[in-house]
Amino acid sequence: AQTVTQSQPEMSVQEAETVTLSCTYDTSESDYYLFWYKQPPSRQMILVIRQEAYKQQNATENRFSVNFQKAAKSFSLKISDSQLGDAAMYFCAYRRFGNEKLTFGTGTRLTIIP
Amino acid sequence: AAGVIQSPRHLIKEKRETATLKCYPIPRHDTVYWYQQGPGQDPQFLISFYEKMQSDKGSIPDRFSAQQFSDYHSELNMSSLELGDSALYFCASSLDRGGEQYFGPGTRLTVT
Repeated sequence: AQTVTQSQPEMSVQEAETVTLSCTYDTSESDYYLFWYKQPPSRQMILVIRQEAYKQQNATENRFSVNFQKAAKSFSLKISDSQLGDAAMYFCAYRRFGNEKLTFGTGTRLTIIP
Repeated sequence: AAGVIQSPRHLIKEKRETATLKCYPIPRHDTVYWYQQGPGQDPQFLISFYEKMQSDKGSIPDRFSAQQFSDYHSELNMSSLELGDSALYFCASSLDRGGEQYFGPGTRLTVT
């Protein structure tokens, strides 16, 4: 079974600074997708960024970028120029290619310090 | 842009009662997923439907059932409710199987 591990239950960062959230996963598959979802206090699940395992290039979405290390099974999220609106719970998630269910990590609560 | 609609947004039931949660996917999305998020926990996959057929099943209790209708909306039926069923229930939809999953706002179920 696939597992997703987020070892940082809580993180904090000064506004405008950069923060990196860690995620590791365990799988025997070679084709899969990885995601970062954001869950603000409203509890809405919002997709931040996705990465296809077959792509060597790291995905980026504006201030959000990932460091995907397939051999190490590591998938970290870097948030640059942190803003107050980035405060949320961040979940790392895995989906096997051809499968439908998302497997989530336990989340990292990110606090932005003004 | 249209999003996934879930109703009701909040629901309070007593133990042993039944509850029905509804999900209306984004237009043209034919795949629907249900997730359960307990307090302080990560979302857990329950079940999914593609073109009105069950396509994958996760840790869904036998007391729960779900279906997808001809208009692609889906309903999650929960019977003999237990206190442990109190959770946030998310529906997500995607354009075909394996597509990007877009989540609805969730239904918060409280069982007393």
